[in-house]
Amino acid sequence: DAGVIQSPRHEVTEMGQEVTLRCKPISGHNSLFWYRQTMMRGLELLIYFNNNVPIDDSGMPEDRFSAKMPNASFSTLKIQPSEPRDSAVYFCASSKDRFGNTIYFGEGSWLTVV
Amino acid sequence: KNEVEQSPQNLTAQEGEFITINCSYSVGISALHWLQQHPGGGIVSLFMLSSGKKKHGRLIATINIQEKHSSLHITASHPRDSAVYICAVRLHNQFYFGTGTSLTVIP
Repeated sequence: DAGVIQSPRHEVTEMGQEVTLRCKPISGHNSLFWYRQTMMRGLELLIYFNNNVPIDDSGMPEDRFSAKMPNASFSTLKIQPSEPRDSAVYFCASSKDRFGNTIYFGEGSWLTVV
Repeated sequence: KNEVEQSPQNLTAQEGEFITINCSYSVGISALHWLQQHPGGGIVSLFMLSSGKKKHGRLIATINIQEKHSSLHITASHPRDSAVYICAVRLHNQFYFGTGTSLTVIP
C-alpha cells in the first residue's frame, strides 16, 4: 500500500495567495484527518471526515480555511487568502475507523507564506 | 493550561540506556496515542491504548486510567530512536496533543 499521499511536499507562496493542499488517504480507510504543526502550538487537529462527511471542524482556525472531501480517495485543505502566520507543516492522516484508532500519517506539506 | 503534559521536554541518553517518557492528562479519555516524529518530519503512530500495557519490539507503553498517566518506555535505546515523541489523547471526537519530548540517543 502506498500510504497516505500528500502534495505538495513543500510550498512557498506570497501573502494573499490561495493555497491548496491535497491528500489521498489509504484505500479502504473511512476517516481522514487534517492536522497543523507549528513550533508555537505543536500539533493541532483542524478537521476530520468520516465517510467523506466533515464530523468536527472546530479546529479550523478561521474562515480563510476550508476543507473538502469530494470522494473517498481525495481531500483538499484550502487557505484563501494566505497569511504568514499560516506557515506550518500540514499533515493529513487516515484511519479505518472514525476514532483514529489505527492512524497513518502522510509525510506532511511544508507551507511557507512570505 | 494544557490538557496534556509531557515530561521531560528534552532527553539525551547514551545508546543502550532505558528511557521513559511520561504523559499526564487532565481530561477523561477514550484512548491515548503515542506518536513518533522523525527529524525529517514524518509522523508514525506507535501505540493506541485505552487500558493496560502494549509492547512492540523495544517499545512498551502503559496507561493508568485512574491516575490519568501514561508512560512510553524504550529498552536498549539506539541512535535511530532519536525523534520527537508526542502523546495525544482522544475524548470522543476531540483530540488533545502534548508538546512532545525530543529524544536524542548518542552512540
